[in-house]
Amino acid sequence: AQKITQTQPGMFVQEKEAVTLDCTYDTSDQSYGLFWYKQPSSGEMIFLIYQGSYDEQNATEGRYSLNFQKARKSANLVISASQLGDSAMYFCAMREGSGFQKLVFGTGTRLLVSP
Amino acid sequence: EAGVAQSPRYKIIEKRQSVAFWCNPISGHATLYWYQQILGQGPKLLIQFQNNGVVDDSQLPKDRFSAERLKGVDSTLKIQPAKLEDSAVYLCASGRGDEQFFGPGTRLTVL
Repeated sequence: AQKITQTQPGMFVQEKEAVTLDCTYDTSDQSYGLFWYKQPSSGEMIFLIYQGSYDEQNATEGRYSLNFQKARKSANLVISASQLGDSAMYFCAMREGSGFQKLVFGTGTRLLVSP
Repeated sequence: EAGVAQSPRYKIIEKRQSVAFWCNPISGHATLYWYQQILGQGPKLLIQFQNNGVVDDSQLPKDRFSAERLKGVDSTLKIQPAKLEDSAVYLCASGRGDEQFFGPGTRLTVL
């Protein structure tokens, strides 16, 4: 079974608008972490935001926020005020357990920001 | 703080040849990961080191892939012999606590 599901292969948004990228996850662990990474065409994986399963507040990092709905097992990324430089692949990932465990990634969503 | 370094950035080989990739993690990071990212997919863990010990290599094709991390710092991933399906980007990451930082990757093409 897929542990991380990203159902949107591609998304389009106009510059300065907000966009939500969906991510659902599957785990029986009580302790886990959820991550979002951005991968531009150059290929590097850029860490954006992290949410721990015990965190009560939704994580925010600048224009990025994570809409964490634990009961629904969803961890959607919200990008506010999109910029042209936000065009990239976006990956949701999960770490089960705590500490130094591996990340399991979804298949990604390609975001295209238009002027 | 310097990031994760990888080399080479690109490599083209023929099937059945051997290839090696190098990774230098962020200073002080005890955990090092090698991921394989096939085109159109998310990265998949090949092997994870904690200092110089292997924590997880359950998805490493051990008949052809090998990795080592000498002295708990740099790491080398080797493929011998390469197959067409090994064409992918090989990403090295190092971690501290909940964070994992990725290097720029090595894009391998097997012809």
